[in-house]
Order: sequence, then C-alpha cells, then structure tokens
Amino acid sequence: KQEVTQIPAALSVPEGENLVLNCSFTDSAIYNLQWFRQDPGKGLTSLLLIQSSQREQTSGRLNASLDKSSGRSTLYIAASQPGDSATYLCAVPETGANSKLTFGKGITLSVRP
Amino acid sequence: GAVVSQHPSWVICKSGTSVKIECRSLDFQATTMFWYRQFPKQSLMLMATSNEGSKATYEQGVEKDKFLINHASLTLSTLTVTSAHPEDSSFYICSASRRTTEAFFGQGTRLTVV
Repeated sequence: KQEVTQIPAALSVPEGENLVLNCSFTDSAIYNLQWFRQDPGKGLTSLLLIQSSQREQTSGRLNASLDKSSGRSTLYIAASQPGDSATYLCAVPETGANSKLTFGKGITLSVRP
Repeated sequence: GAVVSQHPSWVICKSGTSVKIECRSLDFQATTMFWYRQFPKQSLMLMATSNEGSKATYEQGVEKDKFLINHASLTLSTLTVTSAHPEDSSFYICSASRRTTEAFFGQGTRLTVV
C-alpha cells in the first residue's frame, strides 16, 4: 500500500527566503505526482503535476522535482512571500490517471513579513 | 483550466436532517469523481469514488447508507449526508480529473450539524 510522507509538519521562514518542501512515497511505481496548496477552510488548488516520465515542472516561483527511484519529490519556492503561507500537500494516484489520490499530511508553511 | 465547482461552501443543519452537497465539473466531463473528508489539521481521507451511471465505491468504514452518492450525469455528482449528527460535522471536498491530467478540487463544503 502506497504511503506518502511529508516532513516537517510545519515550517516558518522569513520573507524572501528560498525554501524546499519534501515529499516521499514508498511505492516508486507512480503514474504522476501532484502538489497542492490549501488555504485555511478552503479547497485544494493544484500547483504542479509531474508525470512519471518527467524530472521537474516549473510554474512561476515554484519548481517541483521528481526522483522516482528514491521515492522523493521536492517543491522549491523561490523568494517566499507572506502570501505563500498555506498548507502544501503532495499526492499520488493509486493506479493510473483519474484514480483516487493518496495524500501526505501536508506541510503548513508560514512566511513571516 | 478545468474547474470543479462545489456547492454549498458551508451549511448548518439540525441533527437528524439530511444535507445534499453538489460537485460539478464545469468545462469537462468526469466519468469519475471522488469525495473526501477532512478533519481539522488533518489530511484528506477518501470516502468514496463516484462513478457515472453506476453505484459508488465506498472506502472501508464509510457507511454507504449514511453518505449517499449519486452521479447522474457526466458533470454532476452529489453527496447526501442522511440523518446528520454532530459527529458528521466536517469539511467535505470533491475532486474530478480529466483522463490524463491533474485532479481538480472543489472549494469544499463546511458542514456543521447542531
């Protein structure tokens, strides 16, 4: 059974810092990996999707990498801003695309002004 | 991009009543949708998989008679919490995917049973 882990559970950084959020998974036979952002009391916003054949994806100040062999993904946030404060979750589908997702518990990020 | 719309965003109901939550895919057809539940400060837990035109598939421990799921069209799935009790108070989120792209989530519904 796939398990997704995100450590630490919380992170506090000063504004402007570059930071890395980690995600690990136990079964390397993944179809893709997706990073989400969740603001308090809100739904999930998809940030980046990395297909299993890809090594990384970029969107603005965000860069996500994937290393299937080691069961790891990282979300890199450049020049962090207070507006980046949220919970970040990674998830992998159980089988192929359009299948249920297994989530990590998330990392709650606080960016201090 | 694809949008999944969930309604209502919040609802308060009396104990013993039923509440219906709608999940719509706005610009694509979704043969499969997923319903998750999230407790405070915890991650999402899958409740059931909603399949268009057929019965939903429930995760272990989820009462199918309490959480009724109907996926009557390719763009709409509904979750009805029947005979709601305070312990059903939670945050419910639906998701849908296109065939080969990422999963998109609704805005979530905060259910409070009093």
